Amino acid sequence: QKEVEQNSGPLSVPEGAIASLNCTYSDRGSQSFFWYRQYSGKSPELIMFIYSNGDKEDGRFTAQLNKASQYVSLLIRDSQPSDSATYLCAARWYGTSYGKLTFGQGTILTVHP
Amino acid sequence: GAVVSQHPSRVICKSGTSVKIECRSLDFQATTMFWYRQFPKKSLMLMATSNEGSKATYEQGVEKDKFLINHASLTLSTLTVTSAHPEDSSFYICSARDPEFAYGYTFGSGTRLTVV
Repeated sequence: QKEVEQNSGPLSVPEGAIASLNCTYSDRGSQSFFWYRQYSGKSPELIMFIYSNGDKEDGRFTAQLNKASQYVSLLIRDSQPSDSATYLCAARWYGTSYGKLTFGQGTILTVHP
Repeated sequence: GAVVSQHPSRVICKSGTSVKIECRSLDFQATTMFWYRQFPKKSLMLMATSNEGSKATYEQGVEKDKFLINHASLTLSTLTVTSAHPEDSSFYICSARDPEFAYGYTFGSGTRLTVV
């Protein structure tokens, strides 16, 4: 059973701080990972994807993947109140039917002024 | 980027009736569409994967006869909730692989279903 687990949260950080979101997964098979942001009542929007070990940066966001430890994280620098949302980690295992995604349970992030 | 249009955005129906939700891929052909269900403050649960011209693949525990999926064309997939009951009230979201981006998935805007 391929599973994705996220730290339960909720996570609250002050404006301007770094928010750290973590995700672990159950299967060592080759895979790629996605971080989505979802505002209440809306559908998810992609923030970043990563498939190689190491860090990947895009603006204020950095995704980190450690396949040996089976975790992936998302760092949000200079957090803003507009970053307050639910963050979903998702994995796609190569060879799964039609490339379906498996989502974690999500972490609610609140950035307070 | 690729866009998936999902309708309706909100629907309220009476118990025992059926509701159809449509997802259309705009300007691209979606050979595969994923249907998710999301309860309040919960994550997305994959219900089924639909492929154009073939039967949908349902996830374990999802009732095939209750959640009818049709993918009759490369641009349209529909989910019909049959004989709806209050426990079917949920947020339903479709998603398609983005043809312009190997790692991309495009999500519809979601449908909030309330069964009264």
